[in-house]
Amino acid sequence: QQQVKQSPQSLIVQKGGISIINCAYENTAFDYFPWYQQFPGKGPALLIAIRPDVSEKKEGRFTISFNKSAKQFSLHIMDSQPGDSATYFCAASMGDYKLSFGAGTTVTVRA
Amino acid sequence: DTAVSQTPKYLVTQMGNDKSIKCEQNLGHDTMYWYKQDSKKFLKIMFSYNNKELIINETVPNRFSPKSPDKAHLNLHINSLELGDSAVYFCASRHLITDTQYFGPGTRLTVL
Repeated sequence: QQQVKQSPQSLIVQKGGISIINCAYENTAFDYFPWYQQFPGKGPALLIAIRPDVSEKKEGRFTISFNKSAKQFSLHIMDSQPGDSATYFCAASMGDYKLSFGAGTTVTVRA
Repeated sequence: DTAVSQTPKYLVTQMGNDKSIKCEQNLGHDTMYWYKQDSKKFLKIMFSYNNKELIINETVPNRFSPKSPDKAHLNLHINSLELGDSAVYFCASRHLITDTQYFGPGTRLTVL
């Protein structure tokens, strides 16, 4: 069964807009929550990651918001650019370092 | 310098054949992984090795056999290929301190 549920499956945003992707998990033992970005024909690459001791982490235009009590975390892409068009995966792992991925969100940024 | 490399990039073969995919990382990491990405882009872990020792085996059919000759290499051998094995296979390695996993470019396997 899928341990991390991700939504939406796809989204379209105008250039300069905000993209928001949500993920939810059940296993409270998870202690590492990365987001990966994947371009067509390429391998996933780490975008940003958070641990449950903080509620928010920002790197440039990308922000993770983390709600431990709700067991949810989300990725916000501010000022979306055409170059951000990609598939985004949330993931979670615990001490076994085994990443459980969400199903992915295809983001299309229209110029 | 490519951090995690895989060969071949594409592999087209007939059902029933045996094939191998090779992976090498030059990052000095101790832990390496194989993931399978299906046609719906879902990524699922298959195996993990730490310093040449198998530590994760996610109920993958025993037609799949990983081998790690040294901690920089993790190969995947697949026997008796089936149509359902068609997918993109990614190798990855993990940084010990940050837990960041670095993925290779993938091998697209097509079984006809």
